[in-house]
Amino acid sequence: EDQVTQSPEALRLQEGESSSLNCSYTVSGLRGLFWYRQDPGKGPEFLFTLYSAGEEKEKERLKATLTKKESFLHITAPKPEDSATYLCAVAFTGGSYIPTFGRGTSLIVHP
Amino acid sequence: KAGVTQTPRYLIKTRGQQVTLSCSPISGHRSVSWYQQTPGQGLQFLFEYFSETQRNKGNFPGRFSGRQFSNSRSEMNVSTLELGDSALYLCASSPGLGNGYTFGSGTRLTVV
Repeated sequence: EDQVTQSPEALRLQEGESSSLNCSYTVSGLRGLFWYRQDPGKGPEFLFTLYSAGEEKEKERLKATLTKKESFLHITAPKPEDSATYLCAVAFTGGSYIPTFGRGTSLIVHP
Repeated sequence: KAGVTQTPRYLIKTRGQQVTLSCSPISGHRSVSWYQQTPGQGLQFLFEYFSETQRNKGNFPGRFSGRQFSNSRSEMNVSTLELGDSALYLCASSPGLGNGYTFGSGTRLTVV
């Protein structure tokens, strides 16, 4: 059973059409939740770290929020250059601090 | 500030061979982690090194090994390659254990 689940697996948006990506986790005890962006053929690029419920972080058209069992990555008025795979990773307090990655959401924004 | 550098970028090997991949972390970063990324399994943790010592290890067979040098550069080795080892191997560095990671662009390994 996956500890970190991302949905949807794939998302197609029109330019300017806002939406949200979801990352949920099943293990209790959050050390930190990380969002990354990955472009084809490249390594993941760090976006945000969230540590506690209620925390929010923003960067340009992206806003990450955190509740007790899930995080959302809100994309406002996306542009084609926002097309990428968005990865969520969670580090838990119970064991090693090594983050567990979700499978990612592949986002395509059409002009 | 230079990022994480991985070499080579692409590699084609034959089943049964061995391969060594290299990673140079960001200057000042002492922690280096390795991940395997495949379409079917996503990002899977291999191991983490800090100050030349392996601190954590993922659930991979003993054919996968690594080491870290005194300058924090790291290598990973895969012996007796199998077709299923074809993947993007990513290295990530961080200032310390448990801090945010900066990833390199990866080494694309193809086993034929």
